[in-house]
Amino acid sequence: KAGVTQTPRYLIKTRGQQVTLSCSPISGHRSVSWYQQTPGQGLQFLFEYFSETQRNKGNFPGRFSGRQFSNSRSEMNVSTLELGDSALYLCASSLFPAEGATSTDTQYFGPGTRLTVL
Amino acid sequence: DQQVKQNSPSLSVQEGRISILNCDYTNSMFDYFLWYKKYPAEGPTFLISISSIKDKNEDGRFTVFLNKSAKHLSLHIVPSQPGDSAVYFCAARRRNYGQNFVFGPGTRLSVLP
Repeated sequence: KAGVTQTPRYLIKTRGQQVTLSCSPISGHRSVSWYQQTPGQGLQFLFEYFSETQRNKGNFPGRFSGRQFSNSRSEMNVSTLELGDSALYLCASSLFPAEGATSTDTQYFGPGTRLTVL
Repeated sequence: DQQVKQNSPSLSVQEGRISILNCDYTNSMFDYFLWYKKYPAEGPTFLISISSIKDKNEDGRFTVFLNKSAKHLSLHIVPSQPGDSAVYFCAARRRNYGQNFVFGPGTRLSVLP
């Protein structure tokens, strides 16, 4: 079974530009989450999608947005890029959105997209 | 305010011995915890999880212990192998917050041959 795939793997942009990153979850997985990883802040939750709907959102500005398609593939978009947006962006998929302490559903991560903003 | 803490940025262990990685959390609403391993240039790989209704979960060489009263969990790797050398992240999720996991800063484990 193929894992989570993310494209592109590397991206270089300049300040003010916008960028779109893509994530294809594991086949059958319907929940997709996005995280930003930076050396200073570690892994931070961006948002989660299930059935084409955003279910949760982290503490990021409105420049960060996402969407999910009917085949569960997801994209995230960052507009008006800033130098501080340089990071590894990770996508994770799971079967369902987990609820409650008895759920054992687990997230599986893709390799990430390394975004550099110059 | 760091809700999930891993106070040891690095740890070195001899091959064959036990590795113990620690994680502390501050939010008593967290109900589900996971450990991930990450190699350079790869995404985190799921290792083992534990829900707050348990105090121990075991999977092969990996065991996770949860002490809710102390808000502390630990990952034990026995025996440690050189291939275990990686960065280990502890993550916690709050009930009814979906897949919004809060990650610790990670501990770099080096297993020496």
